[in-house]
Amino acid sequence: KQEVTQIPAALSVPEGENLVLNCSFTDSAIYNLQWFRQDPGKGLTSLLLIQSSQREQTSGRLNASLDKSSGRSTLYIAASQPGDSATYLCAVTGGSYIPTFGRGTSLIVHP
Amino acid sequence: NAGVTQTPKFRVLKTGQSMTLLCAQDMNHEYMYWYRQDPGMGLRLIHYSVGEGTTAKGEVPDGYNVSRLKKQNFLLGLESAAPSQTSVYFCASSYSPWTGANYGYTFGSGTRLTVV
Repeated sequence: KQEVTQIPAALSVPEGENLVLNCSFTDSAIYNLQWFRQDPGKGLTSLLLIQSSQREQTSGRLNASLDKSSGRSTLYIAASQPGDSATYLCAVTGGSYIPTFGRGTSLIVHP
Repeated sequence: NAGVTQTPKFRVLKTGQSMTLLCAQDMNHEYMYWYRQDPGMGLRLIHYSVGEGTTAKGEVPDGYNVSRLKKQNFLLGLESAAPSQTSVYFCASSYSPWTGANYGYTFGSGTRLTVV
């Protein structure tokens, strides 16, 4: 059974810092890995999708990397802003084609 | 706008009442999912469907039923609501991997359900 762990569970940083959020998974036979953002009381918004054949994806200040052999993905946020404050979730899809979610990293960026 | 629409957005039920949550998507996705999200528990899969007319149990199916009579709709039913079913419910959809389309998952905005 796939297990997904996100570390840290919570993070509070001053504006402008570069951040790394971690997602680890136990079964390396994955189909894709997707990072989401969730604002309080809202749904999940897709940030980046990395297919199993890819090593990284970039969108603006966000960069996600994937290392299947070590069972890890990182989400890098450059020059963080207060508007980045949210919970970040990763979802790993394996051979069952059903995603398994981590419990998320709650991020606060203070001015 | 294309996407996943959930109705209703909020609902309060009394213990023992029944209700149906509706999920509709207009992206021609084959796969649809129902999750519940509780503090400290993360997202847990209730039921899912890999195509019209099919359903399957997820991690926490007890107390819920589902139907997928049309490809675009996935209904989640609570026959006799219990306080333990107080949660936020999310629907998601995706293309079947067999189509070769690997675009990840699209989520609805959620239904906040309180059972008193």
